[in-house]
Amino acid sequence: KNQVEQSPQSLIILEGKNCTLQCNYTVSPFSNLRWYKQDTGRGPVSLTIMTFSENTKSNGRYTATLDADTKQSSLHITASQLSDSASYICVVSVGGAGGTSYGKLTFGQGTILTVHP
Amino acid sequence: DTGVSQNPRHKITKRGQNVTFRCDPISEHNRLYWYRQTLGQGPEFLTYFQNEAQLEKSRLLSDRFSAERPKGSFSTLEIQRTEQGDSAMYLCASSLALAGNYEQYFGPGTRLTVT
Repeated sequence: KNQVEQSPQSLIILEGKNCTLQCNYTVSPFSNLRWYKQDTGRGPVSLTIMTFSENTKSNGRYTATLDADTKQSSLHITASQLSDSASYICVVSVGGAGGTSYGKLTFGQGTILTVHP
Repeated sequence: DTGVSQNPRHKITKRGQNVTFRCDPISEHNRLYWYRQTLGQGPEFLTYFQNEAQLEKSRLLSDRFSAERPKGSFSTLEIQRTEQGDSAMYLCASSLALAGNYEQYFGPGTRLTVT
């Protein structure tokens, strides 16, 4: 069964601090891995997308890593801000023939990050 | 606004009633997806369309659920004889199916409450 598991479930940090969120997956065949940020009551917004051949990708203060051998990914947030408070969801896309992605996504349950002043 | 839009944003209905949600994707996007998200969980895939063709349906999509995309543009998701377990956020996403383009853009969701 394709699964994506994230840890921790929730995290509280002080503004300005760094944090790292973890993701393990068993999705096969693998196409790509994404990290989304979801504010309460809103749809998810993409932060990064990494294919099999990429092992790190940055988007401003967000840096994602991917180890396709161990099927693990992490999202590192640097110098956190109050607006970073949200749910961060790890998402893996199932691959198709020829390395194409059908677009079917398997979502983790998310890590709820709370940044306090 | 050129993003994905969904209507209504909130829907409260009584058990047994039928409801229909609408999703308007980004105009040039040929793929459209529906997901369901319950509190504290990540979204779960329901179905997706390429143009007007419904290419895959999850086993989560029971016979009471039906989705359409008649002209390959907007889509509707109908739930018949709603049950309390249908209470969730229903998310729509769209993408442009090109080689190497994996990005899905999500709408704000429709929150359904079945009383």
